[in-house]
Amino acid sequence: DGGITQSPKYLFRKEGQNVTLSCEQNLNHDAMYWYRQDPGQGLRLIYYSQIVNDFQKGDIAEGYSVSREKKESFPLTVTSAQKNPTAFYLCASSMSNTGELFFGEGSRLTVL
Amino acid sequence: GEDVEQSLFLSVREGDSSVINCTYTDSSSTYLYWYKQEPGAGLQLLTYIFSNMDMKQDQRLTVLLNKKDKHLSLRIADTQTGDSAIYFCAEILSGGSYIPTFGRGTSLIVHP
Repeated sequence: DGGITQSPKYLFRKEGQNVTLSCEQNLNHDAMYWYRQDPGQGLRLIYYSQIVNDFQKGDIAEGYSVSREKKESFPLTVTSAQKNPTAFYLCASSMSNTGELFFGEGSRLTVL
Repeated sequence: GEDVEQSLFLSVREGDSSVINCTYTDSSSTYLYWYKQEPGAGLQLLTYIFSNMDMKQDQRLTVLLNKKDKHLSLRIADTQTGDSAIYFCAEILSGGSYIPTFGRGTSLIVHP
């Protein structure tokens, strides 16, 4: 079945540690996105990529990094520079030139 | 500028109709979307409407667009407990990057 897979679903980390969230899609979509969701704040765009080996900062990129070495994969690293990393992270993908996004099930990161 | 506004909560009785409202400020929006998010999951596209349309109906869902007032609504007929979720409105601007701007989401609570 085609879809978008995020892992892990739940993740705990200590302050000062980097953590990488995985996002894989087999929909042959060109564009991929990372969003952060906090209660009552909706979705905020962290990074997006519209083509392999290229990505752009979104509204809240500070403290995060991404790579897009393969079309299928768009991992997100939450670095120790991110001041408030506890959140629900959503990855999405879409065909080019469409706003119809396909979302993964999300990864919930908790910093202890 | 880009801004999408939604009320945060809506409570309805099972069997009644629900109407979720959204306002947007950019008149150059070309596509407007409604997404649904169930607890602890990603978003799923429910329906969308082109900016040159006034209404779109899909089974229990009716989308109304008032371009003059920049107002979008989603009506769910015969609301069921399974409709309890967060509903997000999103817009795509013409000539832009096709990255949707999301509202903060409306939590729909359906009670017996």
